[in-house]
Amino acid sequence: AQSVTQPDIHITVSEGASLELRCNYSYGATPYLFWYVQSPGQGLQLLLKYFSGDTLVQGIKGFEAEFKRSQSSFNLRKPSVHWSDAAEYFCAVVIISGGYNKLIFGAGTRLAVHP
Amino acid sequence: DGGITQSPKYLFRKEGQNVTLSCEQNLNHDAMYWYRQDPGQGLRLIYYSQIVNDFQKGDIAEGYSVSREKKESFPLTVTSAQKNPTAFYLCASRPTKNNYGYTFGSGTRLTVV
Repeated sequence: AQSVTQPDIHITVSEGASLELRCNYSYGATPYLFWYVQSPGQGLQLLLKYFSGDTLVQGIKGFEAEFKRSQSSFNLRKPSVHWSDAAEYFCAVVIISGGYNKLIFGAGTRLAVHP
Repeated sequence: DGGITQSPKYLFRKEGQNVTLSCEQNLNHDAMYWYRQDPGQGLRLIYYSQIVNDFQKGDIAEGYSVSREKKESFPLTVTSAQKNPTAFYLCASRPTKNNYGYTFGSGTRLTVV
């Protein structure tokens, strides 16, 4: 079945440390992939997206993600985390089936940042 | 500015009552979506519509209904058949010719007491 897996439910890092959030997808065709961030009680903000071209994608707020087809992964990274990065992060993939296009999300990873 | 409006931000209803959540967009997008968010479960797709007068069930459609009478509006009704309706609901839209141009509203938190 088509799905998105985020293996880490919670991650805690110290401010200034590097960060990697994992995302694996299951989809037979070339994927459109996204990372979103959500602060408590807020809507979603798009961090970055991938659909073709360079497999290393740069996003907002200093985030980047690398698409690895062989591993069906699209991990999100940041070299130095700021306290304001504490939020929930969602990986998503576009599923196109039967002429319909829908966006499927992973369960999310909640990031806590220690001072 | 163009965007998606979900109102109200917070909604309270008594158990057993139907409630309709509003989603309006002025982006001229053809496709619209409803998601439900619960802690630890991410966003799950309830219903989606690619054109007026057409909509499809998502992964968790039971207890919900929608209509798409106008391009700019996609209201979601949470019926009394929905066993656990308290959640955060997000609406999204996308232009048909763009497979990845999703825009999200700011959400409605529904609390059923």
